Amino acid sequence: EPEVTQTPSHQVTQMGQEVILRCVPISNHLYFYWYRQILGQKVEFLVSFYNNEISEKSEIFDDQFSVERPDGSNFTLKIRSTKLEDSAMYFCASSPRDRGRVEAFFGQGTRLTVV
Amino acid sequence: DAKTTQPPSMDCAEGRAANLPCNHSTISGNEYVYWYRQIHSQGPQYIIHGLKNNETNEMASLIITEDRKSSTLILPHATLRDTAVYYCIVRPYPIYNQGGKLIFGQGTELSVKP
Repeated sequence: EPEVTQTPSHQVTQMGQEVILRCVPISNHLYFYWYRQILGQKVEFLVSFYNNEISEKSEIFDDQFSVERPDGSNFTLKIRSTKLEDSAMYFCASSPRDRGRVEAFFGQGTRLTVV
Repeated sequence: DAKTTQPPSMDCAEGRAANLPCNHSTISGNEYVYWYRQIHSQGPQYIIHGLKNNETNEMASLIITEDRKSSTLILPHATLRDTAVYYCIVRPYPIYNQGGKLIFGQGTELSVKP
């Protein structure tokens, strides 16, 4: 069964460093998302991406975040200058957007630890 | 998006049906009810969704009341692997060029016990 894959599974970075989290969405999907979950808290929406541009973003997704689909398969989340409070699980998701099929499929996440 | 209310936790015996309630009394006519679950900090997993009719798939059944103000997710024969946090989410069918973000609440932590 097709799945969303994320790499790496765990990343440790120093405060102030840039990190890029990578995702390979399901191949025929059209919508892509990033969510995060701080330990013990709710899953939070960050951004949705369609047709090579951001379609919606949350208040969390400020100027230090950016997303990109550099080729036909990868979808990346960049955090320019990481802060301690960016430590969280980051989930990538994609959805097909076929008629009647809008459910999102999530990857297994990247655990980001900022030290 | 309409707000949902779920019990924080529930227990269920293995092999029995798990019935997870969700209240969404402010749901509007164009909003669907979605259910996802999250097993131990893995990525959320889609289960089922519906508008007003009851729905069934290989994972679960969704029963929506006639007034649409509440729904119940039914796992017909719960197994230990169904232990997870279950999220009931209400949102409109996404319009073109908007994928449709999911707003997760705290969900119901279901523990399936032997």
